Amino acid sequence: DGGITQSPKYLFRKEGQNVTLSCEQNLNHDAMYWYRQDPGQGLRLIYYSQIVNDFQKGDIAEGYSVSREKKESFPLTVTSAQKNPTAFYLCASSIGGAEEKLFFGSGTQLSVL
Amino acid sequence: EDQVTQSPEALRLQEGESSSLNCSYTVSGLRGLFWYRQDPGKGPEFLFTLYSAGEEKEKERLKATLTKKESFLHITAPKPEDSATYLCAVQYNNNDMRFGAGTRLTVKP
Repeated sequence: DGGITQSPKYLFRKEGQNVTLSCEQNLNHDAMYWYRQDPGQGLRLIYYSQIVNDFQKGDIAEGYSVSREKKESFPLTVTSAQKNPTAFYLCASSIGGAEEKLFFGSGTQLSVL
Repeated sequence: EDQVTQSPEALRLQEGESSSLNCSYTVSGLRGLFWYRQDPGKGPEFLFTLYSAGEEKEKERLKATLTKKESFLHITAPKPEDSATYLCAVQYNNNDMRFGAGTRLTVKP
């Protein structure tokens, strides 16, 4: 089945540690996104990528980094510079261009130990 | 700044009790309005896209409508399996996408 796979489902970070969230899609979509979801708030865009080897910062990129070496993969690293990382992280993809209907993964819940 | 506001934050209905969820947005060049359903611990699932005022879309017990300032998601005779959080997102002409905080719907049998 085509879709987006996020792993792990749950992740714990120690202070000063960098952690990487995985996102893989087999939909052949050009565009991929990372969103952060906090209780009582709308989804906020962290980074997005329209094509391989290119990505742009979203509204809350500080303390995060990404790479897009393959069309299928868009991993997100939460660095130690992100002081409040506890949240539900969602990866999404879209066909790209003018089509912005998003397909989401099942999410990763990140917590701080 | 473009904003999207959903109301109510939470809604509890009895099975079969119809109601509506609201999504209001700042009017600054709407490109499209999206509705998603999100189950606990899962990613949002696409429901509808609306592009212009007066447009309506239906799917089973759900109907989405759009005016120049807001969208409604009407739920007719809901069932317990309709319980979820419903998210609204607005894409503006500058390709900015803004999400509302969602309405958490609970349908009791």
